[in-house]
Amino acid sequence: DVKVTQSSRYLVKRTGEKVFLECVQDMDHENMFWYRQDPGLGLRLIYFSYDVKMKEKGDIPEGYSVSREKKERFSLILESASTNQTSMYLCASSFVGTGGENEQFFGPGTRLTVL
Amino acid sequence: GQNIDQPTEMTATEGAIVQINCTYQTSGFNGLFWYQQHAGEAPTFLSYNVLDGLEEKGRFSSFLSRSKGYSYLLLKELQMKDSASYLCARRDDYKLSFGAGTTVTVRA
Repeated sequence: DVKVTQSSRYLVKRTGEKVFLECVQDMDHENMFWYRQDPGLGLRLIYFSYDVKMKEKGDIPEGYSVSREKKERFSLILESASTNQTSMYLCASSFVGTGGENEQFFGPGTRLTVL
Repeated sequence: GQNIDQPTEMTATEGAIVQINCTYQTSGFNGLFWYQQHAGEAPTFLSYNVLDGLEEKGRFSSFLSRSKGYSYLLLKELQMKDSASYLCARRDDYKLSFGAGTTVTVRA
């Protein structure tokens, strides 16, 4: 079974703090993704990575950065947390297969509250 | 965004059938996913359609019309455990664009 794990289920930080959200997958997937999920807005893509050290901006990258030094690990960084970054953060990974299905497997999520 | 539209909420009775519709922009389309998400949990994969027609998987079926930019998820013989949010997602290469989700409530 594919397993995607995230470092914390719940996190409370203060405005201006630097925040690291870690994600690890154990299925040797090439692609990894960071989303945030807010009521009424659904999942919105922040950043994704299709290989080690490669990254591309998603739909809402402002205020975030990412790091992918190893294939299995994809980190989301909030350089200076703000209250509007309070949200549920979901990590996902997928395999680039010949079938092209590219099913994404999701981690359990990190609920971040910025005070 | 990709203008992916689906209803916000639906309510149905245990044992009934519910159809969740999803419309999307057709340009650059590479496939349509449906995910199920129970409250407080991660989304889990339900189905994937890339060709026109109906795909059946037990009590769940998914339909796609590429020319119309339209899909639906059909849930049959509803059970209480089917109460969840259902997410429609359009695939562009290896990126997914999600709709806001449809919350389905199953009542006894």
